[in-house]
Amino acid sequence: RKEVEQDPGPFNVPEGATVAFNCTYSNSASQSFFWYRQDCRKEPKLLMSVYSSGNEDGRFTAQLNRASQYISLLIRDSKLSDSATYLCVVNPYHLTGGGNKLTFGTGTQLKVEL
Amino acid sequence: DGGITQSPKYLFRKEGQNVTLSCEQNLNHDAMYWYRQDPGQGLRLIYYSQIVNDFQKGDIAEGYSVSREKKESFPLTVTSAQKNPTAFYLCATQGRDRGYNEQFFGPGTRLTVL
Repeated sequence: RKEVEQDPGPFNVPEGATVAFNCTYSNSASQSFFWYRQDCRKEPKLLMSVYSSGNEDGRFTAQLNRASQYISLLIRDSKLSDSATYLCVVNPYHLTGGGNKLTFGTGTQLKVEL
Repeated sequence: DGGITQSPKYLFRKEGQNVTLSCEQNLNHDAMYWYRQDPGQGLRLIYYSQIVNDFQKGDIAEGYSVSREKKESFPLTVTSAQKNPTAFYLCATQGRDRGYNEQFFGPGTRLTVL
């Protein structure tokens, strides 16, 4: 089983739609979680950090379910500019512990269409 | 401007040649990382350094070497021993400003072996 698994997509949605991505992780001791956005041929950029059960930032909501070991990202009112690949990222170490190696999922591709 | 710079943006190399990729940061971050990204795969960790004059191998260090003589700089050398060096190389930094462990990426270098 991969350490971090994502549905590669693509998810093709109309502008204005709500779309959700899930990501599962295998290490139950994982402590911190992130969503990054990566545009074609560009570097990943931090979208949201998820440190408790979840958090919201504008149209974006991230949720964490430790019991089932998954993280979700919900995008409301999709814009054309949201088209990108969304990477789920997990840190298996506690914030104050040693090691800061992150494990990256392969990404979920989103295409928002007119 | 604060940030992470990588150079060159595109690099072409003949087989059998060593090349060095530059990564510089002025964020005053302690930790720096090198990843490679191949199509359809997640980011894979090559080397990382949590402090000056110290670095550790990541998951795919064979055929690569690094140095960390200054806090601001973490160059990566791709040697002729690396069997399949064509990839997108990303440098990242990580600070302890908020006690969190998000990583921030430079714009990347695309290496092509001819």
